Amino acid sequence: GEDVEQSLFLSVREGDSSVINCTYTDSSSTYLYWYKQEPGAGLQLLTYIFSNMDMKQDQRLTVLLNKKDKHLSLRIADTQTGDSAIYFCAESFSSASKIIFGSGTRLSIRP
Amino acid sequence: NAGVTQTPKFRVLKTGQSMTLLCAQDMNHEYMYWYRQDPGMGLRLIHYSVGEGTTAKGEVPDGYNVSRLKKQNFLLGLESAAPSQTSVYFCASKTGSSGGHEQYFGPGTRLTVT
Repeated sequence: GEDVEQSLFLSVREGDSSVINCTYTDSSSTYLYWYKQEPGAGLQLLTYIFSNMDMKQDQRLTVLLNKKDKHLSLRIADTQTGDSAIYFCAESFSSASKIIFGSGTRLSIRP
Repeated sequence: NAGVTQTPKFRVLKTGQSMTLLCAQDMNHEYMYWYRQDPGMGLRLIHYSVGEGTTAKGEVPDGYNVSRLKKQNFLLGLESAAPSQTSVYFCASKTGSSGGHEQYFGPGTRLTVT
């Protein structure tokens, strides 16, 4: 069945790069996403990548997709305290209903 | 645009009580979704709707019912609440237009069942 897995926690020093990893099992997805959830708030779409792309860059964010290994990563350059949040990896499929979320990675920033 | 709004924000229920969670969106989206979020489990889809008057089951539909009488509203009902339904509930909506794939989320409803 479909599954999306992420590590639960990541701690980085302010100013360093953060790399959040995700693996998935179903390769028929159309899009892969990174959502950000701040405390007490809903999920906010950060960035996404087409399943036929390898990389996407958007300001401080770089998404890498390795389809062979079914691995997705999100790199945040120059991590700031405002980046503290839970980051969810997700994949969507052609049907209206099918979007599978990972369990989220909590990113904490050390001074 | 208010986007996706949810009421109430918090609620405490006793086992066996019923309640309805309301989701409203002002983006004229066709698709609407109800998820629950539990620690360490990500989001799981409860029910969804692809248009006014239609609903369908998601991954974890048991114990919940939904209705989509108006395009902008999607209601989630708990007829007889159980402690296992303690969770944070998120509503989301999405356009039905081709190329539209982003789901927009509401701020969530934190429900505790004692």
